[in-house]
Amino acid sequence: DAKTTQPTSMDCAEGRAANLPCNHSTISGNEYVYWYRQIHSQGPQYIIHGLKNNETNEMASLIITEDRKSSTLILPHATLRDTAVYYCIVRVMNRDDKIIFGKGTRLHILP
Amino acid sequence: DTGVSQNPRHKITKRGQNVTFRCDPISEHNRLYWYRQTLGQGPEFLTYFQNEAQLEKSRLLSDRFSAERPKGSFSTLEIQRTEQGDSAMYLCASSLGQVPTTNEKLFFGSGTQLSVL
Repeated sequence: DAKTTQPTSMDCAEGRAANLPCNHSTISGNEYVYWYRQIHSQGPQYIIHGLKNNETNEMASLIITEDRKSSTLILPHATLRDTAVYYCIVRVMNRDDKIIFGKGTRLHILP
Repeated sequence: DTGVSQNPRHKITKRGQNVTFRCDPISEHNRLYWYRQTLGQGPEFLTYFQNEAQLEKSRLLSDRFSAERPKGSFSTLEIQRTEQGDSAMYLCASSLGQVPTTNEKLFFGSGTQLSVL
């Protein structure tokens, strides 16, 4: 079963920062936080992952709280193409372990 | 295009028929996954391979389902005696399967949409 809790849906105005929260209060010390997104009619796409430090790449930033029980994915300047379902996942590294998806957050970018 | 390729994109079949889907992973990827996704739900894990070895199968994978990866490259997923409940998007993903897996990322194909009438 998925170990994360996310809001079902969110809206964000185009050009603004989209902040997607994720709760993972039962996360273990060796579990990473991963984010994927799925645009309509496509397979999921990797966005970013982290363990305890904040991470940034060309797509997004990941802010993980100090107690690691929650995190926020930030899309700094949302565009209409960012409309998608965003999945927050916790995963143990260094194991033969599959990714378990929850229902994710459906993000609507409004023009 | 060097991404994960799935064929066919769409398949319509009658209940009771057998269907087979193909997945071609990214060429240097050792690990291959199959997921199933129904409307409004996240992808559900079905099975995965490390090279040609099938390492894990979900309890969702009934005995009507079989997956193979004979030479550690492409994979096939067969569903025998299809039922209407099998209607879903079947997604394939691949990854390097590197150890340690610190930066392990899955790359997904666009899926095969199965409709069982």
